[in-house]
Amino acid sequence: GEDVEQSLFLSVREGDSSVINCTYTDSSSTYLYWYKQEPGAGLQLLTYIFSNMDMKQDQRLTVLLNKKDKHLSLRIADTQTGDSAIYFCAESGGSSNTGKLIFGQGTTLQVKP
Amino acid sequence: DGGITQSPKYLFRKEGQNVTLSCEQNLNHDAMYWYRQDPGQGLRLIYYSQIVNDFQKGDIAEGYSVSREKKESFPLTVTSAQKNPTAFYLCASSRDSIISYEQYFGPGTRLTVT
Repeated sequence: GEDVEQSLFLSVREGDSSVINCTYTDSSSTYLYWYKQEPGAGLQLLTYIFSNMDMKQDQRLTVLLNKKDKHLSLRIADTQTGDSAIYFCAESGGSSNTGKLIFGQGTTLQVKP
Repeated sequence: DGGITQSPKYLFRKEGQNVTLSCEQNLNHDAMYWYRQDPGQGLRLIYYSQIVNDFQKGDIAEGYSVSREKKESFPLTVTSAQKNPTAFYLCASSRDSIISYEQYFGPGTRLTVT
């Protein structure tokens, strides 16, 4: 079945780059997403990438997609303390065509001053 | 201001009681979703609705029920049959469920059942 895996925790120093990784299983996924969740809040859509793209850049965020290895990464440049949150990777259930998203477990990013 | 609202933010219930969580959107989105989030886990889909008066079970629908009588509203009832109802519940919507998969989330309701 469809599955999305992420490492659970990442700690970086303020000003460094952060790289959050994700692997997925559904090769027919059309879109892949990154969401951010701050404590006690809902999820905020950060960015997404279409499956025929390799890279997408949006200000401090860079998304890399390796479709062959089914690997997605989110790089945050110049990480700030305000970036501390849980980051979720999600894939669209391409084969099911229902709009369902399959989420990873989330990576907690801790930014130390 | 367009968005998704969920109320209340915190909800406390005694075991054996049904409870209904509210979700409203004014984004004119066709599709709406309910997810459950437990600590250290990703989001799990409870129910979703692609259009008014229609809804489908997600991966963990047992013990839950929904209705979609209006486009802007998708309430979730947690019944007494749900064995472990304490969790953070998130509602989301998207423009449609086929062309656009971007889902926008509400702020969530934290339900505690004792």
